[in-house]
Amino acid sequence: DAKTTQPPSMDCAEGRAANLPCNHSTISGNEYVYWYRQIHSQGPQYIIHGLKNNETNEMASLIITEDRKSSTLILPHATLRDTAVYYCIVRVERESGGGADGLTFGKGTHLIIQP
Amino acid sequence: SQTIHQWPATLVQPVGSPLSLECTVEGTSNPNLYWYRQAAGRGLQLLFYSVGIGQISSEVPQNLSASRPQDRQFILSSKKLLLSDSGFYLCAWSVGNTQPQHFGDGTRLSIL
Repeated sequence: DAKTTQPPSMDCAEGRAANLPCNHSTISGNEYVYWYRQIHSQGPQYIIHGLKNNETNEMASLIITEDRKSSTLILPHATLRDTAVYYCIVRVERESGGGADGLTFGKGTHLIIQP
Repeated sequence: SQTIHQWPATLVQPVGSPLSLECTVEGTSNPNLYWYRQAAGRGLQLLFYSVGIGQISSEVPQNLSASRPQDRQFILSSKKLLLSDSGFYLCAWSVGNTQPQHFGDGTRLSIL
């Protein structure tokens, strides 16, 4: 799976949009971009994933550049409860029945929402 | 909807004692199941995964073992715990290979 690079930490004011960048310049055509977050002392929480197109769900939006070498996770209206470590992961798509595959978590971005 | 349960939430065990951590998933059939460990200040490390009953793959050599006696039950065990087994143990499930993995709340294991 391709490697990702994220800033170690970011601050954002409560109520503003939080934009978390991720570089994955060696991503290959069959690798998806996944975002998870981990609030202290809890298990990681899945946020969103995508392959080429931008995606949006109730939690966030994922913007993937046309060359797929970078992406941005957007939390549209950050709250204090969004303070967490955010992980960007790229993961290859395997054929059905090709076995499971673990996720490789890097150090992520520690997002701190300021009141 | 699907849910995942892990217990206990915290555990303190002496060196050399046995271990059994249990994970169960509800609301889905034939999930892929995973055990991860997160040491203090470090990223998650995949320990085991299972694609079906009785099918276990180990990612790293270690003092631990895993079993899957039922479709939605995954157990992490050790016969004799070491100090280095301390950490935050997480169970996860997924369906298919491009679907996200969903994690439980974890067990924080301290070895004394």
